[in-house]
Amino acid sequence: KQEVTQIPAALSVPEGENLVLNCSFTDSAIYNLQWFRQDPGKGLTSLLLIQSSQREQTSGRLNASLDKSSGRSTLYIAASQPGDSATYLCAVPNQAGTALIFGKGTTLSVSS
Amino acid sequence: EAGVVQSPRYKIIEKKQPVAFWCNPISGHNTLYWYRQNLGQGPELLIRYENEEAVDDSQLPKDRFSAERLKGVDSTLKIQPAELGDSAVYLCASSPSPTADTDTQYFGPGTRLTVL
Repeated sequence: KQEVTQIPAALSVPEGENLVLNCSFTDSAIYNLQWFRQDPGKGLTSLLLIQSSQREQTSGRLNASLDKSSGRSTLYIAASQPGDSATYLCAVPNQAGTALIFGKGTTLSVSS
Repeated sequence: EAGVVQSPRYKIIEKKQPVAFWCNPISGHNTLYWYRQNLGQGPELLIRYENEEAVDDSQLPKDRFSAERLKGVDSTLKIQPAELGDSAVYLCASSPSPTADTDTQYFGPGTRLTVL
């Protein structure tokens, strides 16, 4: 059964720092991996989708990498801003490709 | 383009009472999901619909939970009777394709349920 783990559970940094969020998964036979952002009281917003054939995806200050063989993905946030404060979740499709399996998330707090 | 709409946004009820949540997916999205997110956890799938057919309800506690998607558009998730452990955020999502392989899912804001 696929399991997704995210480390750390929480992270506090001052504005301007570069940071890395980690995600690991137990079954490397995945089609893709997604990173989501969740603001308090809000739904999830997809940030980046990495297909299994890709190594990384970039969007603005965000860069996500995928290493299927080791079962790991990282989300790199450059020059963090207070507006980046949120919970970041990674997710992979289940074996049938019919639903997403999520990690518990990393709650990020960026102070000004 | 309007996103996924859910109502109510918040609901507080006493245990043993019934409760219902409503979801309107993005227009044209045939696949609809209901997830439950407990505090400090990631969302977990409850049920998935392809049009009006429930194609994966293996994680839905069928003794007290029910769902429907009449006409393959809006969906309603019901709990009767509610228990203290049902307190959570109930998220609805939709996607244009039948699988999660290549398409992202679009999530609504969720309904936060508190059972007292």
